[in-house]
Amino acid sequence: DAGVIQSPRHEVTEMGQEVTLRCKPISGHDYLFWYRQTMMRGLELLIYFNNNVPIDDSGMPEDRFSAKMPNASFSTLKIQPSEPRDSAVYFCASSLASLAGETDTQYFGPGTRLTVL
Amino acid sequence: QQQVKQSPQSLIVQKGGISIINCAYENTAFDYFPWYQQFPGKGPALLIAIRPDVSEKKEGRFTISFNKSAKQFSLHIMDSQPGDSATYFCAASMAESNTGKLIFGQGTTLQVKP
Repeated sequence: DAGVIQSPRHEVTEMGQEVTLRCKPISGHDYLFWYRQTMMRGLELLIYFNNNVPIDDSGMPEDRFSAKMPNASFSTLKIQPSEPRDSAVYFCASSLASLAGETDTQYFGPGTRLTVL
Repeated sequence: QQQVKQSPQSLIVQKGGISIINCAYENTAFDYFPWYQQFPGKGPALLIAIRPDVSEKKEGRFTISFNKSAKQFSLHIMDSQPGDSATYFCAASMAESNTGKLIFGQGTTLQVKP
């Protein structure tokens, strides 16, 4: 398997523009997570899905952020309008739920480095 | 109560030395404690994990020590090598809830000097 695929790897945009980040999870995985990583705040969970359904979006910083998972093999994280403070590395991760009482490994993608000027 | 506190923020160790990173948690419902390793420009990857029914788990040069009563766990890297230079994250989850959600610590940047 190719692992978790994210695109683009780098994105530079100007304040006010819409940004869309994309993720393809590992085939067969039923959990998908979006994280944001910055020096100041570390690794923050933004939202996660189970079987394409959003389960917890409490980490989404503002209404400017939205995420969708239209099918099991694709998810997007959208920022509209973008602001300089959104500059960060955004990671997508996926995992496969096993029996209750087990937590499976989260497999991270390579990340998208977003710079908002 | 959902937080996992990690220290130190950064660590410099000489080649061959022992690297020790500590984490503490409050929520006694946590029952799965993984460590993730992240190299520059890459996503984090699972390194080693432990459940609270054991006090220690060792995989090669990497050991997790777990103290349930103190609600603390630590990563020990024996014979540290320059290739171990990376950022390390501890994490915790409630496996029984089967949500798959991990609570990550703030991360420790380790530099191993040759």
